Amino acid sequence: SQTIHQWPATLVQPVGSPLSLECTVEGTSNPNLYWYRQAAGRGLQLLFYSVGIGQISSEVPQNLSASRPQDRQFILSSKKLLLSDSGFYLCAWSLGTGGMTGNTIYFGEGSWLTVV
Amino acid sequence: GQNIDQPTEMTATEGAIVQINCTYQTSGFNGLFWYQQHAGEAPTFLSYNVLDGLEEKGRFSSFLSRSKGYSYLLLKELQMKDSASYLCAARNNAGNMLTFGGGTRLMVKP
Repeated sequence: SQTIHQWPATLVQPVGSPLSLECTVEGTSNPNLYWYRQAAGRGLQLLFYSVGIGQISSEVPQNLSASRPQDRQFILSSKKLLLSDSGFYLCAWSLGTGGMTGNTIYFGEGSWLTVV
Repeated sequence: GQNIDQPTEMTATEGAIVQINCTYQTSGFNGLFWYQQHAGEAPTFLSYNVLDGLEEKGRFSSFLSRSKGYSYLLLKELQMKDSASYLCAARNNAGNMLTFGGGTRLMVKP
């Protein structure tokens, strides 16, 4: 069966500091990978998605970036965090192939980021 | 683009039935998903509809009308543990992205 893990689970970072959140998927090959952000009490906002190694699409302009150095690894980064970057960050995956239910998105445990 | 609307909050009584509605306006549509999210946790997949009609999974059912851009999630025999946010999400034509609504926070009272 497939599993997804992301870390760290929580972190408190000062404004202007760098960020690195990491996510890995096991039990599948060539998955679609996603980074979502959820501000307190709000819906999920898609930040980045990737359909393959080195292929990253950005959905919203921001000071965050994403990279996919390996097939099942997805990294969210920032060089200098802003207060507005605080939130709940979720990594997710779906099967790379299509089909009726092949694109159900499954989420990792989430990472709580507080920028102070 | 895609626009997803659902009520912000709902309250229901333990043992009752509740229906959570979702309307969507999309430039391309290829399926409607419902997720459950308990406070402080990641969303978990509940149901998926791509054709018109009702899909039943135990106490939970989901309905879709593509012509009306409308879906609902029906929860029967409510339990206290059903208190959570319920997220409606529409899949794009390419099938590789979901756009989420703001979520409906359901409070189940004794």
